[in-house]
Amino acid sequence: NAGVMQNPRHLVRRRGQEARLRCSPMKGHSHVYWYRQLPEEGLKFMVYLQKENIIDESGMPKERFSAEFPKEGPSILRIQQVVRGDSAAYFCASSPPSGGGNTEAFFGQGTRLTVV
Amino acid sequence: DAKTTQPPSMDCAEGRAANLPCNHSTISGNEYVYWYRQIHSQGPQYIIHGLKNNETNEMASLIITEDRKSSTLILPHATLRDTAVYYCIVRPTLFSGAGSYQLTFGKGTKLSVIP
Repeated sequence: NAGVMQNPRHLVRRRGQEARLRCSPMKGHSHVYWYRQLPEEGLKFMVYLQKENIIDESGMPKERFSAEFPKEGPSILRIQQVVRGDSAAYFCASSPPSGGGNTEAFFGQGTRLTVV
Repeated sequence: DAKTTQPPSMDCAEGRAANLPCNHSTISGNEYVYWYRQIHSQGPQYIIHGLKNNETNEMASLIITEDRKSSTLILPHATLRDTAVYYCIVRPTLFSGAGSYQLTFGKGTKLSVIP
């Protein structure tokens, strides 16, 4: 059973370009979380999605950032018009249909975004 | 903000037990205690979680005090590969809207296993 797969592992974008980060959850998992880790800082929650629904986006920046988890295919975190401050590691986690807080989430290896 | 307090760093000799403490004095009766670790630059790795009873799995043991205000993660025989930042997290048993679904990572404890 493959783990959470994120791609690309490393992404370099020029200021003003768009970044698309992909996350394929573990088999049987229908819930996806996105976290961001700025250099030398802790992980910060961004968004929680179920198939075709955004459940909690309380950690998402109000502009330029969006996320989706379509019925088919991976979850996508999209950053438009990237700026240097977007440089960070972005981690995705997945969990099975919710048993509430008694359901562990498993993380991928992350995408390291560098904006030049 | 994280609802847990952990020492910023600890050392442990290789082969010895590593005991990582966590204070969660404001924990409520419907919150789990979770432990994750992050080995340099990798994604966080789930270790163990519990509600009231002590728990053990192939990686570690979790000891929760009777009043649930603190817990200890025990790695029984630490190896160099256990060097990582360890995060203690409280999480509600039932999700109740925005902000309740997430795992809230604090600063954690940086464990260094020394040869």
